[in-house]
Amino acid sequence: GQNIDQPTEMTATEGAIVQINCTYQTSGFNGLFWYQQHAGEAPTFLSYNVLDGLEEKGRFSSFLSRSKGYSYLLLKELQMKDSASYLCAERNQAGTALIFGKGTTLSVSS
Amino acid sequence: DVKVTQSSRYLVKRTGEKVFLECVQDMDHENMFWYRQDPGLGLRLIYFSYDVKMKEKGDIPEGYSVSREKKERFSLILESASTNQTSMYLCASSVSGTGNQPQHFGDGTRLSIL
Repeated sequence: GQNIDQPTEMTATEGAIVQINCTYQTSGFNGLFWYQQHAGEAPTFLSYNVLDGLEEKGRFSSFLSRSKGYSYLLLKELQMKDSASYLCAERNQAGTALIFGKGTTLSVSS
Repeated sequence: DVKVTQSSRYLVKRTGEKVFLECVQDMDHENMFWYRQDPGLGLRLIYFSYDVKMKEKGDIPEGYSVSREKKERFSLILESASTNQTSMYLCASSVSGTGNQPQHFGDGTRLSIL
């Protein structure tokens, strides 16, 4: 199977930078996604990485190292509205579905 | 924008009932998925479909079945509901292929089995 590991909870303050880490199994790697999910709402797509390096999208960036089976989501200039769960997901080896981690709940305080 | 619509936000059913959860997408996506989401367990894939009348088991298919008679509609069926199927159920869709196409999720159905 594919094991996705990410921290359960993180806390940070407004204006700060936070990095949410994710590790995954490297065999048959086929792409990695990050989603944001506010309480009671649907997950929404944030980023996709398939090659090594950093992908930047405004305040959010995602990094991938395929050799290490490691990704992180970097959130800059944190805002209260960034309080949410962040889900790391790897595309399965067959390329047909996503395997999700259990999610990291981020709490941003003032 | 992609729209994935689940028929109910909240549903309460009784043990032993046959339960239907409906999902419709409006973007002509080939792939559709059903997940359940539970505290501490995250999103787990129940079934998915990559074409009309095609279905594949996910990680936890036991106690569930699915139906995809039309491209835009993917139904999840609980043949005989049990209390351990109380959960949040999320439907998703995506285009086919292995590129950067994300899955788009519906708002979820919170199902309680009494």
